[in-house]
Amino acid sequence: DAKTTQPPSMDCAEGRAANLPCNHSTISGNEYVYWYRQIHSQGPQYIIHGLKNNETNEMASLIITEDRKSSTLILPHATLRDTAVYYCIVRVPYNFNKFYFGSGTKLNVKP
Amino acid sequence: SQTIHQWPATLVQPVGSPLSLECTVEGTSNPNLYWYRQAAGRGLQLLFYSVGIGQISSEVPQNLSASRPQDRQFILSSKKLLLSDSGFYLCAWSITGANVLTFGAGSRLTVL
Repeated sequence: DAKTTQPPSMDCAEGRAANLPCNHSTISGNEYVYWYRQIHSQGPQYIIHGLKNNETNEMASLIITEDRKSSTLILPHATLRDTAVYYCIVRVPYNFNKFYFGSGTKLNVKP
Repeated sequence: SQTIHQWPATLVQPVGSPLSLECTVEGTSNPNLYWYRQAAGRGLQLLFYSVGIGQISSEVPQNLSASRPQDRQFILSSKKLLLSDSGFYLCAWSITGANVLTFGAGSRLTVL
């Protein structure tokens, strides 16, 4: 079952940074934070994951608070193609790799 | 490279008819395989997962079943479809120890 809380929707202007929050107050010490996104009528796509350090890749940055009870996914320069539902997931690796998705945040990037 | 295929992409079936959705993975061995369902406007619900041939675990009781007759083949079935079975069905795979779940393009089922 999903152990995260995300706002149902957010708006962002094209070219600006999109900051998507996620609360995971019951996260345990060995659980990682993962982010996926789902563009309409497609399968979800992996974005990034982390344990406690901030992470960055070519798609996004992940900022995890020191107490690990919340995190923020940052898309530095949002484009119209970033309009999607973004899912924050916490899980223990090697737990048969099961991923439980919540309702996510619908990000609307507007011109 | 690894690829995942799902078919059919779209399916319209009458209530009470059978269902078979197929998923195959190429370019890897002994993957973990998953079936998810997404009802209209909802999040993804994990239905089944499999860690090997013939090994199926069900996450929720329902009108559906899954089978894994070969290492890289995963099939979702129903003997008699219900209206509530309508949705977007997604197959996914991963490797034990890996951190990435890779999804197929999905199969959209409409039960009338």
